[in-house]
Amino acid sequence: DVKVTQSSRYLVKRTGEKVFLECVQDMDHENMFWYRQDPGLGLRLIYFSYDVKMKEKGDIPEGYSVSREKKERFSLILESASTNQTSMYLCASSLFQGNAGNTIYFGEGSWLTVV
Amino acid sequence: AQTVTQSQPEMSVQEAETVTLSCTYDTSENNYYLFWYKQPPSRQMILVIRQEAYKQQNATENRFSVNFQKAAKSFSLKISDSQLGDTAMYFCAFMKHASDMRFGAGTRLTVKP
Repeated sequence: DVKVTQSSRYLVKRTGEKVFLECVQDMDHENMFWYRQDPGLGLRLIYFSYDVKMKEKGDIPEGYSVSREKKERFSLILESASTNQTSMYLCASSLFQGNAGNTIYFGEGSWLTVV
Repeated sequence: AQTVTQSQPEMSVQEAETVTLSCTYDTSENNYYLFWYKQPPSRQMILVIRQEAYKQQNATENRFSVNFQKAAKSFSLKISDSQLGDTAMYFCAFMKHASDMRFGAGTRLTVKP
């Protein structure tokens, strides 16, 4: 089975802190994603990566950055956390972009509270 | 840009009965993919069913089936013989490219014993 592992399930951070959310997948997938999930809004794409060191902005990249130094690992970085970034963050992965329609596999999510 | 609308924020159904979740989408594309994802209270999102737009036949996976109406841009999910384990948030999603997947706001389904 595909496994997408997010290192932290629950985090509480202070405003202004730098926050790292880590994600690892074990299926050699080319694509990796970070989504943000908020009630009534569904999932919104923050960043997408289709290869090591490659990234594309999603719908809501402001206030976030990402790092993909290894194929299996995709990190989401909040440079200076703010209270409006309190949310559930979902990491996901899938096979390469050229074959559209591939299933996206999700991690369990990271609940981030910024106080 | 594509949009996905789920007009039912919450629904409930009695165990063993059938329930249908609605989803509409807006696109000018002709070839694309549609998905229903389930997110149980444990939070990990899993794929329920997938439909390819160029296939006229509705997808079916055991108790789950879809009613895909391409001209109407409608993609509803029918759950037959509902089970307590079907209690979850259900998200409808549209994909043209992996980097452009769009999700609806979700429908919270509760199966009552």
